[in-house]
Amino acid sequence: GAVVSQHPSRVICKSGTSVKIECRSLDFQATTMFWYRQFPKQSLMLMATSNEGSKATYEQGVEKDKFLINHASLTLSTLTVTSAHPEDSSFYICSAKDEKQGGDTEAFFGQGTRLTVV
Amino acid sequence: GQNIDQPTEMTATEGAIVQINCTYQTSGFNGLFWYQQHAGEAPTFLSYNVLDGLEEKGRFSSFLSRSKGYSYLLLKELQMKDSASYLCAVMDSNYQLIWGAGTKLIIKP
Repeated sequence: GAVVSQHPSRVICKSGTSVKIECRSLDFQATTMFWYRQFPKQSLMLMATSNEGSKATYEQGVEKDKFLINHASLTLSTLTVTSAHPEDSSFYICSAKDEKQGGDTEAFFGQGTRLTVV
Repeated sequence: GQNIDQPTEMTATEGAIVQINCTYQTSGFNGLFWYQQHAGEAPTFLSYNVLDGLEEKGRFSSFLSRSKGYSYLLLKELQMKDSASYLCAVMDSNYQLIWGAGTKLIIKP
């Protein structure tokens, strides 16, 4: 099946610094990628929809200036957590739809990134 | 509003069968997904249903009834490694995934 690679898998950063997380579709092109956040013992929360070549669409309550999304190519989307604080510590997961399959059949997930802000 | 309901936690015995139910109310329907998620890991895809009926994949089967807004995931011959959270998600009319909170499945020897 299609593979989505997310990097890094774990990152620890100091409060006030920025962290960039990459999401790559390895064997398919993804016009649309999704960024999720998951708190312990809770379901995935959609943060934003990343669209190649245009601005991301953010869900209500998600600060677009804090969570910068760039979808510069059909195989890469990045999420940058700016001026990170301890409350931003969480599990961040990206997913991408395989457009060749019509885009509606599967959403493939990256491995996730565990962010810890100290 | 949009809503996905599934039980919070279930317990089953190794070797047995367990059924995890999911009911949904969404704006439009473009398919229902089941994912397995082990603690600390990203979800992995299990099944996709868009038509009514039962889809079987080895030990796992998924059923859908669109008229009832209902699905279930059936796990047979349970193994200890099946202990995980199982997430039900519906793709709505905007092709966005609406997620249930997940069912934590505990397998006992």
